Amino acid sequence: DAGVTQSPTHLIKTRGQQVTLRCSPKSGHDTVSWYQQALGQGPQFIFQYYEEEERQRGNFPDRFSGHQFPNYSSELNVNALLLGDSALYLCASSPRVAYGYTFGSGTRLTVV
Amino acid sequence: GQQVMQIPQYQHVQEGEDFTTYCNSSTTLSNIQWYKQRPGGHPVFLIQLVKSGEVKKQKRLTFQFGEAKKNSSLHITATQTTDVGTYFCAGGGSNYKLTFGKGTLLTVNP
Repeated sequence: DAGVTQSPTHLIKTRGQQVTLRCSPKSGHDTVSWYQQALGQGPQFIFQYYEEEERQRGNFPDRFSGHQFPNYSSELNVNALLLGDSALYLCASSPRVAYGYTFGSGTRLTVV
Repeated sequence: GQQVMQIPQYQHVQEGEDFTTYCNSSTTLSNIQWYKQRPGGHPVFLIQLVKSGEVKKQKRLTFQFGEAKKNSSLHITATQTTDVGTYFCAGGGSNYKLTFGKGTLLTVNP
């Protein structure tokens, strides 16, 4: 039973560039949430997707956008990268009746 | 907005000692979840509490949800080196957002 798959695992980008992160949810899960985790901090909620729509959004600027596809997989896009966007980006999936999240291993983004 | 606070930030114990981390929310929660993140890893779901005053046990771990559904605790009895990691509580509110605390980093001296 595949868990949550994220790609790439590591990424280095330059300030001002754009990045796309990908996530495949656990089998049977249709809700995908994205979190940003800075070093030594708790995960910060970016947004959640369900039925291909953004259902809830955290306090992140419009530079952060996402998408969910019919197969429930999801993408996180970040435009005009800033040094402060350097973090671990975690994707989490859950079944429709929310229980615990299953997290992927994350994408470590470094902006230089 | 909803804030979830956890204390302590760090806890170092000798193997065999007990450990407790506390979580407080600024608003009433619909549920609270606990996760464990090993160093270099990702959060792993431990448990969800939904009912006021609920207590659940998983082997040496005991989880409690406060009567007012604004606070929670995780207690580990007789810690082992395998318990090392950061323990996060995450509060679910009336929306679909799950708000994480900053976590408690537990280190265990063998």
